[in-house]
Amino acid sequence: QVQLKESGPGLVQPSQTLSLTCTVSGFSLTSNSVHWVRQPPGKGLEWVGAIWSGGSTDYNSALKSRLSISRDTSKSQVFLKMNSLQTEDTAIYFCTRRNCDYWGQGVMVTVSS
Amino acid sequence: EIVLTQSPTTMAASPGEKVTLNCLASSSVSYMNWYQQKSGASPKLWIYGTSNLASGVPNRFSGSGSGTSYSLTISSMEAEDVATYYCLQLSSYPLTFGSGTKLEIK
Repeated sequence: QVQLKESGPGLVQPSQTLSLTCTVSGFSLTSNSVHWVRQPPGKGLEWVGAIWSGGSTDYNSALKSRLSISRDTSKSQVFLKMNSLQTEDTAIYFCTRRNCDYWGQGVMVTVSS
Repeated sequence: EIVLTQSPTTMAASPGEKVTLNCLASSSVSYMNWYQQKSGASPKLWIYGTSNLASGVPNRFSGSGSGTSYSLTISSMEAEDVATYYCLQLSSYPLTFGSGTKLEIK
């Protein structure tokens, strides 16, 4: 069955770089896109970016200068890297497949010194 | 960027009551997805392609709309429907979500 699971550090210091991994199963990254979506505590959902089945990427313009999404198809993993983190980047980060049909459980990232 | 405005922001319904949640887009979109999110959980796809129920969604739910106006309707409110509901447009990038409607029970 389709599954996605996010992993990464729970705490990141301001100005540092966030690195998250989304490990998928039950589908192929060469046939499906994967999106990242985040949700600040108590707030709504924000699309972060996506990597397409062909490997190209799209990013939220507000985050584009700090963001990179990549993948390792042999390991069924998608990576998110975001630099120059600020407290406003504190959120639950989700990965989701294709048309946002299946979602991971999310990983809480807190930006704090 | 297409802005999605959901209304109401919060509402409370009695068991058995009909409920309608609205999502207004700033520009025309081809279709709308809806998600249910319960406290502490990931969003779940609830309605896709405007009017198709995701697997396992009770048939008291329905979706409709076109162009810039979309809605999710519950024909008869039940306690298990308490959640926040978000709309999502996938017609153009960046993808955008509505700000959500928090549905409570009276």
